[in-house]
Amino acid sequence: DAGVTQSPTHLIKTRGQQVTLRCSPKSGHDTVSWYQQALGQGPQFIFQYYEEEERQRGNFPDRFSGHQFPNYSSELNVNALLLGDSALYLCASSSRTGVGTDTQYFGPGTRLTVL
Amino acid sequence: GQSLEQPSEVTAVEGAIVQINCTYQTSGFYGLSWYQQHDGGAPTFLSYNALDGLEETGRFSSFLSRSDSYGYLLLQELQMKDSASYFCAVGGNYGGSQGNLIFGKGTKLSVKP
Repeated sequence: DAGVTQSPTHLIKTRGQQVTLRCSPKSGHDTVSWYQQALGQGPQFIFQYYEEEERQRGNFPDRFSGHQFPNYSSELNVNALLLGDSALYLCASSSRTGVGTDTQYFGPGTRLTVL
Repeated sequence: GQSLEQPSEVTAVEGAIVQINCTYQTSGFYGLSWYQQHDGGAPTFLSYNALDGLEETGRFSSFLSRSDSYGYLLLQELQMKDSASYFCAVGGNYGGSQGNLIFGKGTKLSVKP
């Protein structure tokens, strides 16, 4: 049973460029959440996708956008990159079809460096 | 707003017991989770408390007091591999499943021989 996978593992971009990060959820999961984790900090919630729609959003500018596909995989897009966007980007999957509150399972992350 | 406070660092020796505290302020509360993250790795789920009391999972236990907005993670029989960062997180209950998680800044646990 494959867990959450993310690609690429590492990425180097320059200021002003655009980047797309990808995530495949754990088998059986239908909800994908994206988090940004700066060095030495806890993950910060960016947004969550369910049924191909953004359902919740954290305090991130519109430069951050996403998409969920019919197979539940997801993309995170960041436009007009800033130096401060350098971070570990984590994808987490969970299921809305279960009863009660389900655990979020995290992928290994994509390390983005903006020069 | 929502915020969580936990100690930034804790050091203990192999075989000892360590407790990592977490206090939180949230506008709504549906449960307190704990995650472990090794350097360069992904956060992995350890435990979840929705109700007051103690939850035990092997060497790890987690406690919650909703009236005090307080919880802790207890790690027993510490091993070197337990050296990692530990995060408490609060989450919303959205349509029956977890919504977004709000994380604390993490506690870096160093286990010494």
